[in-house]
Amino acid sequence: NAGVTQTPKFRILKIGQSMTLQCAQDMNHNYMYWYRQDPGMGLKLIYYSVGAGITDKGEVPNGYNVSRSTTEDFPLRLELAAPSQTSVYFCASSPWGGLTGELFFGEGSRLTVL
Amino acid sequence: GDSVTQMEGPVTLSEEAFLTINCTYTATGYPSLFWYVQYPGEGLQLLLKATKADDKGSNKGFEATYRKETTSFHLEKGSVQVSDSAVYFCALRGSEKLTFGTGTRLTIIP
Repeated sequence: NAGVTQTPKFRILKIGQSMTLQCAQDMNHNYMYWYRQDPGMGLKLIYYSVGAGITDKGEVPNGYNVSRSTTEDFPLRLELAAPSQTSVYFCASSPWGGLTGELFFGEGSRLTVL
Repeated sequence: GDSVTQMEGPVTLSEEAFLTINCTYTATGYPSLFWYVQYPGEGLQLLLKATKADDKGSNKGFEATYRKETTSFHLEKGSVQVSDSAVYFCALRGSEKLTFGTGTRLTIIP
């Protein structure tokens, strides 16, 4: 079972470069999320989507963009990378937005901006 | 807004010791509460959950009880193993989003 798949697992960027972190899920989940995890800081929500064509900002959306053209894919775009975006990024999905819904996480993408 | 306050780490215990990791929350309404675990090099995975007051979630020997009166959801295990070494996150879900605590790193020494 693939679950939630993130690529790449590791990436080094120079300041000002752009890139896209890919996320795909094969569980037909409507809800998808992008979190970033900074050392000792827990996870902070960047963007989320409640279905294809619908996205919304989380706590820390600045410097990022997302799109949700299909149920399966939820790419995260970094424009003009900055050192403050050095972090581990996690994509997650959930079958519904109800209060009891478990989130299923990918293995993470470690991004370093130099 | 919703928030989760979690016991600061790191926590180091000997094998077979008793574990408690404290978690308190602030939320409007009636959130669901979760513990997620992150093993080295992996993503987060659900450990246990409770969806209403006085519910007890349990899995792999871990337990946590949803205490509305104290707004707490402390994680406990009676006898830890080396394989329990990981980072543990308390989380609450009050709407479409999950709010996480900062995580507690647990290391078990043989």
